[in-house]
Amino acid sequence: GAVVSQHPSRVICKSGTSVKIECRSLDFQATTMFWYRQFPKQSLMLMATSNEGSKATYEQGVEKDKFLINHASLTLSTLTVTSAHPEDSSFYICSAYREPNQPQHFGDGTRLSIL
Amino acid sequence: QKEVEQDPGPLSVPEGAIVSLNCTYSNSAFQYFMWYRQYSRKGPELLMYTYSSGNKEDGRFTAQVDKSSKYISLFIRDSQPSDSATYLCAMSESGGSNYKLTFGKGTLLTVNP
Repeated sequence: GAVVSQHPSRVICKSGTSVKIECRSLDFQATTMFWYRQFPKQSLMLMATSNEGSKATYEQGVEKDKFLINHASLTLSTLTVTSAHPEDSSFYICSAYREPNQPQHFGDGTRLSIL
Repeated sequence: QKEVEQDPGPLSVPEGAIVSLNCTYSNSAFQYFMWYRQYSRKGPELLMYTYSSGNKEDGRFTAQVDKSSKYISLFIRDSQPSDSATYLCAMSESGGSNYKLTFGKGTLLTVNP
């Protein structure tokens, strides 16, 4: 069964709205979670690494003030897209791993559409 | 040159065919190799994971890694319509506490009944 849960699965909202996406590890503690973005027919691009109890590490070119990440507990990381615009429309996916040296497990993604 | 190259396809095969999916990479520091399957509008699902050169088999799936050639493959035997999905290769330099995955673009596979 699923080990990483992501919510919501679909969001449609107006330009200028801030949107929060949740990522939960279901039966394990995740000190590290990852946030990816995927455009249609493209691969996953890592946006940031979310660390429990500390600041997220953002990849080059990702605006940290635009994409706010909060990893307040060992089972929950949130990604907030602030003042979203149509170009922020994309498929956002989170992941986590149960143990070091083991592969990441992915959530089912959030499809964000900004009108 | 991109770190990971993967033929995007699309690839269309008849049911029962053997499918071969491939990725090449340029970063010799990559040590861990994965194959994920992604159905439309879903997150990637782990299929295979390996960290050594050679073959690893799991049911109808075989992952092959050749570190000397920087080349990995996924073979699917007796392909089924339910195998129709996008297949992503992924790799990382380490399995430590903060490792990052680098993905290929994915190959779209359709298995026709």
